[in-house]
Amino acid sequence: AQKITQTQPGMFVQEKEAVTLDCTYDTSDQSYGLFWYKQPSSGEMIFLIYQGSYDEQNATEGRYSLNFQKARKSANLVISASQLGDSAMYFCAMRPPNFGNEKLTFGTGTRLTIIP
Amino acid sequence: DTAVSQTPKYLVTQMGNDKSIKCEQNLGHDTMYWYKQDSKKFLKIMFSYNNKELIINETVPNRFSPKSPDKAHLNLHINSLELGDSAVYFCASSQVPAGQAYFGAGTRLSVL
Repeated sequence: AQKITQTQPGMFVQEKEAVTLDCTYDTSDQSYGLFWYKQPSSGEMIFLIYQGSYDEQNATEGRYSLNFQKARKSANLVISASQLGDSAMYFCAMRPPNFGNEKLTFGTGTRLTIIP
Repeated sequence: DTAVSQTPKYLVTQMGNDKSIKCEQNLGHDTMYWYKQDSKKFLKIMFSYNNKELIINETVPNRFSPKSPDKAHLNLHINSLELGDSAVYFCASSQVPAGQAYFGAGTRLSVL
């Protein structure tokens, strides 16, 4: 079974600073996918970034990067130069490799608040 | 043009009623899902369909019945609603075996 752990229930960060949201995972699969989603107060789930377990480079998407450390089973999200609009819930999720079991397992989320 | 659309956005109903939530995706994806987000914001898979076929049923009470008339639609019907069914229900789709799931805007169900 797959498990995602997000140990930071809430974080407060000054605007323009960088922020790291922690995510560790547990799986016995060799192939898997890791995702980060953002959920603003309006409620929708917004995809941010994806990392495959065999990807050698850390994923980056604009101000978002994923610090993937496979041996430590961690997939931390780094947001550079934070903005007020980054205030939201952030969820780390994992997908197993097997066709027919394509569900996402989510962590409990981190509520990020950017302070002006 | 919304990629994954679900209706209604809000649903307020009495205990014991039956209600449906509709979901449509225009992304051409083969796989669709229902997720439930509880009051603590925890998201959990309920069902997954691939090409209209049920793939995953995560020990959801049989009061919940998904229906997929075609691969672009996945509806959720809930019988005999209970207080504990109050939650936000998200529809999502993805193109397996690869990519990310695209989520609808969610349906906030309140059972009184």
